[in-house]
Amino acid sequence: DAKTTQPNSMESNEEEPVHLPCNHSTISGTDYIHWYRQLPSQGPEYVIHGLTSNVNNRMASLAIAEDRKSSTLILHRATLRDAAVYYCILRDPNNAGNMLTFGGGTRLMVKP
Amino acid sequence: DTGVSQNPRHKITKRGQNVTFRCDPISEHNRLYWYRQTLGQGPEFLTYFQNEAQLEKSRLLSDRFSAERPKGSFSTLEIQRTEQGDSAMYLCASSPRWFLPPNYGYTFGSGTRLTVV
Repeated sequence: DAKTTQPNSMESNEEEPVHLPCNHSTISGTDYIHWYRQLPSQGPEYVIHGLTSNVNNRMASLAIAEDRKSSTLILHRATLRDAAVYYCILRDPNNAGNMLTFGGGTRLMVKP
Repeated sequence: DTGVSQNPRHKITKRGQNVTFRCDPISEHNRLYWYRQTLGQGPEFLTYFQNEAQLEKSRLLSDRFSAERPKGSFSTLEIQRTEQGDSAMYLCASSPRWFLPPNYGYTFGSGTRLTVV
């Protein structure tokens, strides 16, 4: 599986935007970029995904570089409830098992 | 549907004992996954089922581990002769075979935290 690289931790102030980077220089043409987050004492939850174009949903936005070797998850206004570990994952839908391969993720801390 | 349910939430056992965890997936999801997560690490894949068939097992799944999904509904994960290194959070996730809007992601349960003393 292609690997992703994320900073171990980031800090943000409440109500400010947060940009969480992810590098995936070995991404293949069929890999989708998925983001999950894991709140304390809970299982991971889906945030957003994309292939080539930028994507928006009610939780976040995903900006994908033109060469697809990096992406950025954008939380437009961080709240205390957004404090979590954020995982950037590459997933090939042609993979028979479709299992997710998690890295270490970025621990986001939100200060009031 | 209340999502993916895992029981128990916490389990403390003595080394050498057997333990069994249960996962109830979202009813219309035919795929079910087990992951293990140790402190400070991301979840690691253990095994997955499509309906009742166990289609892939990670090398992390030693012969002390066995998983079943009878009738393609709930699943159990059993660990025999537990060791202290088995202490971890065991997560279950389910997904449909094909992802259609608006549900693009896997749904995870809250996990079972195992402590082996």
